[in-house]
Amino acid sequence: AQSVSQHNHHVILSEAASLELGCNYSYGGTVNLFWYVQYPGQHLQLLLKYFSGDPLVKGIKGFEAEFIKSKFSFNLRKPSVQWSDTAEYFCAVNLNTGTASKLTFGTGTRLQVTL
Amino acid sequence: NAGVMQNPRHLVRRRGQEARLRCSPMKGHSHVYWYRQLPEEGLKFMVYLQKENIIDESGMPKERFSAEFPKEGPSILRIQQVVRGDSAAYFCASSPTTGFKYYEQYFGPGTRLTVT
Repeated sequence: AQSVSQHNHHVILSEAASLELGCNYSYGGTVNLFWYVQYPGQHLQLLLKYFSGDPLVKGIKGFEAEFIKSKFSFNLRKPSVQWSDTAEYFCAVNLNTGTASKLTFGTGTRLQVTL
Repeated sequence: NAGVMQNPRHLVRRRGQEARLRCSPMKGHSHVYWYRQLPEEGLKFMVYLQKENIIDESGMPKERFSAEFPKEGPSILRIQQVVRGDSAAYFCASSPTTGFKYYEQYFGPGTRLTVT
């Protein structure tokens, strides 16, 4: 069964600092990769996704992620965070089998951006 | 296009009562997924349904939990004889029927169940 690891549980950054959140998955087959964000009191929103093609994907709000197949990683980055980026970030994976399938989530990273 | 709808948003039940959580997928979506988020944990998959069919229930507890997605109406997650450990946020997601986008899941606002 696939699993997802997010090594940073709680990250505190000052505004304008650069962000990189780690995500590693364990599965030898073909996967789809996602980053979701959950702002305080709100539901999960899709930040970005990778299915195939260019391993560097760009999402909403200036976020990007790079898929490195050899490292089973899909790290999330943002060059300059804003206070409004304070939220919980979840990495998720599902199988690329040609049919819909469940998502497996990491435990999440709580990002706190200070002014 | 309305998003995934869940109700109620908050539900309080006493131990031993039943909880019914409803989920209406986005228009045009026929795949529904239920996830549970326990305090300080990530989301855990429970069940995946299509209309009138359970496709994958590998994450559902064996007892007291059931789910359905009838031909008409919302998907229902039912928890019988609730216990304190059932207190969690329950999220529903839906995905499109065709095209590459059936890999993408769109989430509802969740139902926060509190068992007293």
